[in-house]
Amino acid sequence: QVQLQESGPGLVKPSQTLSLTCTVSGVSITSGSYYWSWIRQPAGKGLEWIGRSDTSGSTNYNPALKSRVTISVDTSKNQFSLNLSSVTAADTAVYYCAGVYFYDAYGDYLEYFQYWGQGTLVTVSS
Amino acid sequence: QSVLTQPPSVSAAPGQKVTISCSGSSSNIGNNYVSWYQQLPGTAPKLLIYENNKRPSGIPDRFSGSKSGTSATLGITGLQTGDEADYYCGTWDGSLSTFGGGTKLTVL
Repeated sequence: QVQLQESGPGLVKPSQTLSLTCTVSGVSITSGSYYWSWIRQPAGKGLEWIGRSDTSGSTNYNPALKSRVTISVDTSKNQFSLNLSSVTAADTAVYYCAGVYFYDAYGDYLEYFQYWGQGTLVTVSS
Repeated sequence: QSVLTQPPSVSAAPGQKVTISCSGSSSNIGNNYVSWYQQLPGTAPKLLIYENNKRPSGIPDRFSGSKSGTSATLGITGLQTGDEADYYCGTWDGSLSTFGGGTKLTVL
């Protein structure tokens, strides 16, 4: 079965860069039907989409975070990564990686977050 | 503040039916498919409904989805205590994916 697993530091200092990796198993990350996405959830709050990448390097980011976000894919390792720069306490959250199935043809666009990692808590604090 | 509006909470007794609404606009729900996610306490979200009304393998038919215009609805029948969770709608909004603010379901 398909599994996604987040990894990275659980504590990041303010103004530094948050870096997380998602390792995908059970499906090739080069499958043409998926975007690879990051979502975060502050404690007690809802889901916030951070952005996505396909394996060609085409990316889309949440405008609210765009200036600080980079998402990249490493096909050789079947992994994708998130970098979020200049973090503050407001970036403290559980970060999820996800595989997003999509279909885009003939003016019809479909997407849904099919696979999710278990999530990893990142705290921004000195 | 999410562009998709959900009620913060709903509640019903075991065995009863509940509906959760998700209201958007023409830029999101009105022109795109809606999906729904269930997040049990302390766990990651799980896909519940996709393409407005389709259920992934393993999701019981007690869960249903519908869409009309710029709104979507999740229905749950035969409520069980195990259905207590947060539920989120999601869709594409032109240049970004977006989720509703979430609805906490309490099974009394």
